[in-house]
Amino acid sequence: GAVVSQHPSRVICKSGTSVKIECRSLDFQATTMFWYRQFPKKSLMLMATSNEGSKATYEQGVEKDKFLINHASLTLSTLTVTSAHPEDSSFYICSAATGGASNQPQHFGDGTRLSIL
Amino acid sequence: AQSVTQLGSHVSVSEGALVLLRCNYSSSVPPYLFWYVQYPNQGLQLLLKYTSAATLVKGINGFEAEFKKSETSFHLTKPSAHMSDAAEYFCAVSEGGGNKLTFGTGTQLKVEL
Repeated sequence: GAVVSQHPSRVICKSGTSVKIECRSLDFQATTMFWYRQFPKKSLMLMATSNEGSKATYEQGVEKDKFLINHASLTLSTLTVTSAHPEDSSFYICSAATGGASNQPQHFGDGTRLSIL
Repeated sequence: AQSVTQLGSHVSVSEGALVLLRCNYSSSVPPYLFWYVQYPNQGLQLLLKYTSAATLVKGINGFEAEFKKSETSFHLTKPSAHMSDAAEYFCAVSEGGGNKLTFGTGTQLKVEL
């Protein structure tokens, strides 16, 4: 149980392109979804927290106009990297949780490797 | 504010040897603690979690962790390492009213023949 599907797993595109990444909870309803960015050999950096039906909460230093997050249903959240540039190349990982309690674990997708040429 | 420290960014053990990955936390309230494992180019998989029940927590793949409040620690152990255990391991803490996680910097476990 608690499967999170993230798509695509890898994307390569030209600078200036917008890229959409989907995160789906397949067998549970995700009240809260999280988006992380992971640099090579580094830990996960939380970018934003999204709750179904409301605006995402972005972490300090994350440009909300650059990284658009939509959480339109209890099973789907999307991250759109707008006008991507080479410095946006990274490994992006989503996670989902049922409810907002601290003891509820997050369940992670397999990540998306984004490469901007 | 909560924080997590993982001592040792790289740990190397022989196959069959004890695995010990260290995690110390800082939290102003009783924390919830988690260990996750990440294989190359994949997301994170939950190994185990501590949520204020038993202090010795058993997880998947033979791993366990013990919550020690006096030492503010939550070290991960496995009696006998297997080659398939080679991966990156993250300790994380959650506190307060939400399930936002703070991750440690990770420990790369290498298992040698």
